[in-house]
Amino acid sequence: GQNIDQPTEMTATEGAIVQINCTYQTSGFNGLFWYQQHAGEAPTFLSYNVLDGLEEKGRFSSFLSRSKGYSYLLLKELQMKDSASYLCAPMDSNYQLIWGAGTKLIIKP
Amino acid sequence: IAGITQAPTSQILAAGRRMTLRCTQDMRHNAMYWYRQDLGLGLRLIHYSNTAGTTGKGEVPDGYSVSRANTDDFPLTLASAVPSQTSVYFCASSDTGGADTQYFGPGTRLTVL
Repeated sequence: GQNIDQPTEMTATEGAIVQINCTYQTSGFNGLFWYQQHAGEAPTFLSYNVLDGLEEKGRFSSFLSRSKGYSYLLLKELQMKDSASYLCAPMDSNYQLIWGAGTKLIIKP
Repeated sequence: IAGITQAPTSQILAAGRRMTLRCTQDMRHNAMYWYRQDLGLGLRLIHYSNTAGTTGKGEVPDGYSVSRANTDDFPLTLASAVPSQTSVYFCASSDTGGADTQYFGPGTRLTVL
């Protein structure tokens, strides 16, 4: 079956670095997306990885290892506005996104 | 440019009633999707459409129907609402039905009593 595993909740301090891990099992693979979702709002696109390695975009970076079925999202210089849920979503062979329940990130001053 | 709009923002509905959730996009995207999001669960795909005139079933299609008469609109209909359909519903669109970024509307919060 298809499965996504990511931590339910994480806490970090403003200005610090946090890494949110995601492991996945899908039927086929067409890349992996990370989305951010603030409470009561829609998910917004953060990153897309289809090849192994690190993709950097400002304070956010995303890593993929296809052989391990593993990805992480790295957030640097944390700001209070980064308090949100982060959704890991690999895309299967039918180009459908398989969504994890998300990791709620709490930033403390 | 509005992107994707959904209506209504929220709705309380009596069980057994019929309800249509509206979704409109102005990005000329070919593919559109309907998801539901429940507490503690990931987004689940209800129905999708890769191009105007075609639709497909997602993971949880029972009790829902869709139509795609044109590129811009993708309404979702609950023929006879049940309490288990209480959820937040998100519409999304992407350029194609392939490995493209999906962009989400603001959502409709539906409560069925």
